[in-house]
Amino acid sequence: GAVVSQHPSWVICKSGTSVKIECRSLDFQATTMFWYRQFPKQSLMLMATSNEGSKATYEQGVEKDKFLINHASLTLSTLTVTSAHPEDSSFYICSARDAPSGRSLYEQYFGPGTRLTVT
Amino acid sequence: GQSLEQPSEVTAVEGAIVQINCTYQTSGFYGLSWYQQHDGGAPTFLSYNALDGLEETGRFSSFLSRSDSYGYLLLQELQMKDSASYFCAAYHSGAGSYQLTFGKGTKLSVIP
Repeated sequence: GAVVSQHPSWVICKSGTSVKIECRSLDFQATTMFWYRQFPKQSLMLMATSNEGSKATYEQGVEKDKFLINHASLTLSTLTVTSAHPEDSSFYICSARDAPSGRSLYEQYFGPGTRLTVT
Repeated sequence: GQSLEQPSEVTAVEGAIVQINCTYQTSGFYGLSWYQQHDGGAPTFLSYNALDGLEETGRFSSFLSRSDSYGYLLLQELQMKDSASYFCAAYHSGAGSYQLTFGKGTKLSVIP
C-alpha cells in the first residue's frame, strides 16, 4: 500500500515553455502533499506544502508565480513550472501523507520523481 | 532555521556494521526520520524516532537522543544492495503543517 505515482518520469522542454507534473496517491487519500526539488548529489529541498482544497504554502525563496501548485483532490496534486529556464532543470519529487493518525502522521510516501531538463 | 549535519560519504565492507551519524538544529522538532535513496530513485522510508532510544527494524536500527540533538542509523550485515544515499530528516512544525527537512545525505558504498 501507500503508492505515489508521478507523471511524466522525465521531460525535456524548451526554454520559455511551461511543464506540468502530476502527483497521484494511488491507494490512499493524501490530505497533504509536498513538492521537493533535488539537484544532482544534493539533498531534497522542500518547495511547498499543499493541502487539498487550499492554497499551497511555499518555502522562502520559492517563487509561487513560477511554480504553480494545485491540489484539486485528495489523490492529485500538480506542479506547473511556468516559463521554464535551464536553471529550473532538476529532479522534482512529490510526497504524500495519509490522514494524520498514528504512523502516517510522520511518514511521507514519495513518488518516483520527474527529471526535468530545460534546453 | 533548520539544519542537519551528516557525513557526506562512508565506505564499509560487505557483512560489516556501519553507523551514520546525524546532528540537528531544528525548531519545533518532533522526531528524526531516516530515508534511503538509490541513484535516480525516490527516497524510501526506513525509520522514525520520536522518543530517545533505539528502534530496531530488521538489519536497520535508528537511535535518537533529543538532549544531544543527535541520532544515528545503524546498518548491520551489510549487503551490496545497501549501497545508496541515506538521509536523516527532522520532522518539525512548519507553515501550516508538519514538515520534513532533510540533511545533505550520506553516500554509503559497500565493497566486497
